[in-house]
Amino acid sequence: SYELTQPPSVSVSPGQTARITCSGDALPKKYAYWYQQKSGQAPVLVIYEDSKRPSGIPERFSGSSSGTMATLTISGAQVEDEADYYCYSTDSSGNLWVFGGGTKLTVL
Amino acid sequence: QVQLVESGGGVVQPGGSLRLSCAASGFTFSSYGMHWVRQAPGKGLEWVAFIRYDGSNKYYADSVKGRFTISRDNSKNTLYLQMNSLRAEDTAVYYCAKVGGAEDYWGQGTLVTVSS
Repeated sequence: SYELTQPPSVSVSPGQTARITCSGDALPKKYAYWYQQKSGQAPVLVIYEDSKRPSGIPERFSGSSSGTMATLTISGAQVEDEADYYCYSTDSSGNLWVFGGGTKLTVL
Repeated sequence: QVQLVESGGGVVQPGGSLRLSCAASGFTFSSYGMHWVRQAPGKGLEWVAFIRYDGSNKYYADSVKGRFTISRDNSKNTLYLQMNSLRAEDTAVYYCAKVGGAEDYWGQGTLVTVSS
């Protein structure tokens, strides 16, 4: 079965840049999506199709993808950005979707 | 405004069945594929199943294949998940979601607890 691998945790101080990676064999050909989830809430899309930002998402959130790795970057992380972040993509067939294991971002 | 409202969750014994529903409004439901995603208590998100806009193709995670069935009724703007042979490890909040692209919608989730 297909897997996406994320680091379990990332920690930065306020104002620093946080980078969360997601690795998967199909990422060279398949888009990555990034979700933010705060405790007790439904996930919120912060990046779609590798690098596009939905309306209403702050400009400090950006995404990139190169080879088998996608990266979510939060430039100038704020305390309110503390959350779990998940990457989401499909296997090479495009028919099976997978979430990464999630990364807990701590900003303090 | 877009709404996805799940219902049908509850407590069920191992081996039992449950059918979840997701009522959609505020967008053209019949034009989009839909997903079920679940989250066990304290755990990460897990994709469960996907159905194409017209119901022509359905795909499942290995963990639920053969036990769960996704379906939809476009005349009622409703998505379903029939869950059979439930196990303790199926205990989770179940979300219906329209994902892919900038227009990304999730329901508030419905809790399924499998316990004797």
